[in-house]
Amino acid sequence: AQSVTQLGSHVSVSEGALVLLRCNYSSSVPPYLFWYVQYPNQGLQLLLKYTSAATLVKGINDFEAEFKKSETSFHLTKPSAHMSDAAEYFCAVSDEYSSASKIIFGSGTRLSIRP
Amino acid sequence: EAGVTQFPSHSVIEKGQTVTLRCDPISGHDNLYWYRRVMGKEIKFLLHFVKESKQDESGMPNNRFLAERTGGTYSTLKVQPAELEDSGVYFCASSSYLKSEQYFGPGTRLTVT
Repeated sequence: AQSVTQLGSHVSVSEGALVLLRCNYSSSVPPYLFWYVQYPNQGLQLLLKYTSAATLVKGINDFEAEFKKSETSFHLTKPSAHMSDAAEYFCAVSDEYSSASKIIFGSGTRLSIRP
Repeated sequence: EAGVTQFPSHSVIEKGQTVTLRCDPISGHDNLYWYRRVMGKEIKFLLHFVKESKQDESGMPNNRFLAERTGGTYSTLKVQPAELEDSGVYFCASSSYLKSEQYFGPGTRLTVT
């Protein structure tokens, strides 16, 4: 069975500071890993995804995540936070062996940006 | 290209009533998924269509929920009769046959009072 754990339901950083959102996964098969973002009153938008190619994945808006198999982690980072990054972020996993597999989400981390 | 659309954006109904949610996937996407987020909890998978066939309905909570995808285009999710615990945001997503990326709609917020 696959699962995702996001550490911290709410993270607050200052504008310009490093953003680090933590995610650990559990999977009995090689996973696809995702980070989605939900801005207020909008749907889920894919930030980036890991599909067993490069372990450091770059996404939109300068976000990136590193797949660390030994730590079963897929933490999301951004060097410098902007006010527009305030949103809820979801880490997710699906089964690599099925290209149309369901996605299993973490509980989400709400990111706040302090001026 | 139009994205995934969902209707209505918000529905408020009383316990015991019926509600039907609609999802229009991206044109040409064979895969269509329904997910739900109950207040404060994680987004959970409900079911997956491939064209008009149910591929996986392991996440459907009970037989009060009925999903259809006639003709392999849009899908409906009916809740009958609605209970208080059905309140939440219902997301629809679609993907093409060859790609794993799912594109999500804006969701329907269902409130059962």
